[in-house]
Amino acid sequence: QKEVEQNSGPLSVPEGAIASLNCTYSDRGSQSFFWYRQYSGKSPELIMFIYSNGDKEDGRFTAQLNKASQYVSLLIRDSQPSDSATYLCAVRGNEKLTFGTGTRLTIIP
Amino acid sequence: DVKVTQSSRYLVKRTGEKVFLECVQDMDHENMFWYRQDPGLGLRLIYFSYDVKMKEKGDIPEGYSVSREKKERFSLILESASTNQTSMYLCATSTSLELFFGEGSRLTVL
Repeated sequence: QKEVEQNSGPLSVPEGAIASLNCTYSDRGSQSFFWYRQYSGKSPELIMFIYSNGDKEDGRFTAQLNKASQYVSLLIRDSQPSDSATYLCAVRGNEKLTFGTGTRLTIIP
Repeated sequence: DVKVTQSSRYLVKRTGEKVFLECVQDMDHENMFWYRQDPGLGLRLIYFSYDVKMKEKGDIPEGYSVSREKKERFSLILESASTNQTSMYLCATSTSLELFFGEGSRLTVL
């Protein structure tokens, strides 16, 4: 079992709709959770982090964490073509940061 | 803004050559990392360093070494490049919260 799992996609979402990206992790001791966005040919950049169960909102982005079920998700509201990218989930536990393989998201105009 | 600069964006080397990938950061961060990124495998940690002259193995250190003689500079060394080391190499520095990546070095080993 991979430590951090994501559906590789591609996930296609119409412009203006909600994009939902999911990530599961295996280490129950994991403490902090991150979403990075990576445009094609570019390096990853942090867009959201979450530590506590529940939702955390930042503009059009909402991160959701459920530690009991060991999943973290990212919702993107009012999706824009500029949101087309690969989204990497990263999980930190005991000082080690582990990345998922990423989900490729395409927003269709 | 944090700036992480990798010396070469694209390199082509031959099997058996020694390869140096240089990374410099300008934010006085203690922590520096080297990752490689491959399709379907994601980002994998090769080596990291929390201080000058300090280094720790990551998940896939075999075939690599590193050097950190100065706080701002972290070098990745491939002693004898092999074709399975063809990859995108990403250097990063971090605060306690966030990783800041360089633009990446795409290495092709023929």
